[in-house]
Amino acid sequence: DAGVIQSPRHEVTEMGQEVTLRCKLISGHNSLFWYRQTMMRGLELLIYFNNNVPIDDSGMPEDRFSAKMPNASFSTLKIQPSEPRDSAVYFCASSRGQQKYFGPGTRLLVL
Amino acid sequence: GESVGLHLPTLSVQEGDNSIINCAYSNSASDYFIWYKQESGKGPQFIIDIRSNMDKRQGQRVTVLLNKTVKHLSLQIAATQPGDSAVYFCAENMGGTSYGKLTFGQGTILTVHP
Repeated sequence: DAGVIQSPRHEVTEMGQEVTLRCKLISGHNSLFWYRQTMMRGLELLIYFNNNVPIDDSGMPEDRFSAKMPNASFSTLKIQPSEPRDSAVYFCASSRGQQKYFGPGTRLLVL
Repeated sequence: GESVGLHLPTLSVQEGDNSIINCAYSNSASDYFIWYKQESGKGPQFIIDIRSNMDKRQGQRVTVLLNKTVKHLSLQIAATQPGDSAVYFCAENMGGTSYGKLTFGQGTILTVHP
């Protein structure tokens, strides 16, 4: 099993640009979580899905952030327009049950 | 000006010593707890979990203790090795409608000296 796959691993962009982060779940998992990690705030849950349905998006910072699950194995997190304060490592995690498996993360730098 | 970030607790031990990492959780309704290990440049990796109806659980070289009275969780690592050097996070999962939603602690930096 390849585990949770995230792309890109690194992204450098300019303020105002659209950023799309991608995540492929582990086969057979039915829950998907997006986390953001910064030195200031640690690991924060942004949004999670169960069976493709968003369950809790209370952690999404603002309307510039959106997340989708177009199918059972894939998710995107989009930031439009991006701002320097969005710079962080973004992790997705998948699960079937309570144990969650994290991907390697996408390190985002917004200049 | 200088930005203020989280000041993570740190623990330095010698190889072969036992390590104890502590965590205070916030919600008395939490029913499931997990310890994660995060190495530099990687995502958090599951170590061990415990449900709220237990107070101790053992794995390979690791033991988790749960004290619900004071909302305290600890991770004990036996015979610590240099490869154990990482940031360790505890996470709590509330039951009911919050099923699946993990809240992470700030983390503890463990450094193991050869």
